[in-house]
Amino acid sequence: DTEVTQTPKHLVMGMTNKKSLKCEQHMGHRAMYWYKQKAKKPPELMFVYSYEKLSINESVPSRFSPECPNSSLLNLHLHALQPEDSALYLCASSQDLAGDPYNEQFFGPGTRLTVL
Amino acid sequence: AQSVAQPEDQVNVAEGNPLTVKCTYSVSGNPYLFWYVQYPNRGLQFLLKYITGDNLVKGSYGFEAEFNKSQTSFHLKKPSALVSDSALYFCAVREEWSNTGKLIFGQGTTLQVKP
Repeated sequence: DTEVTQTPKHLVMGMTNKKSLKCEQHMGHRAMYWYKQKAKKPPELMFVYSYEKLSINESVPSRFSPECPNSSLLNLHLHALQPEDSALYLCASSQDLAGDPYNEQFFGPGTRLTVL
Repeated sequence: AQSVAQPEDQVNVAEGNPLTVKCTYSVSGNPYLFWYVQYPNRGLQFLLKYITGDNLVKGSYGFEAEFNKSQTSFHLKKPSALVSDSALYFCAVREEWSNTGKLIFGQGTTLQVKP
């Protein structure tokens, strides 16, 4: 299985709601990533998990809260979002964070988030 | 600091013609270079990568890329374009021995292949 899955595909939420995005991979990868992507722009890295521990937080506002319950699963909890947070949220995974040249990232299809 | 430049926002090609999508990079040390493609409302799909060795790298869907160290370029090519190749293409770089997993992406190039 060489797939990264993400649910839901679409999410509409109000600014006072709490919701979560889910990402799953069964490739045995130990590094997982959250990206935010605006239309026709490159993905922006938000968080990196390595062996289920938060490795990188790219100064993301606290209204985004990541969680890695196990090596296959990555969640992004959302609370009190702003309309400018509307974007495509992509999850990715790779074998690990080592400087291994064969360590490419595999991306999921994304969750299209709209904040009203 | 690492950086990637894709100088063209959009490339237009007629079906059956060769295509080139340009990418230049700046890193300290040796680069690991990647091309990803994104179809509308989809995630990024890995196309190919350059690590070391042959300067011409072959990838998925008939794409290839040419690494040129002196010009710090990694242009994506395909001998004969298909309408279905129309998509958004991203070049990305990771520094040799980086242990953060961070990819630096170019701004993206929209490829439009017309019948």
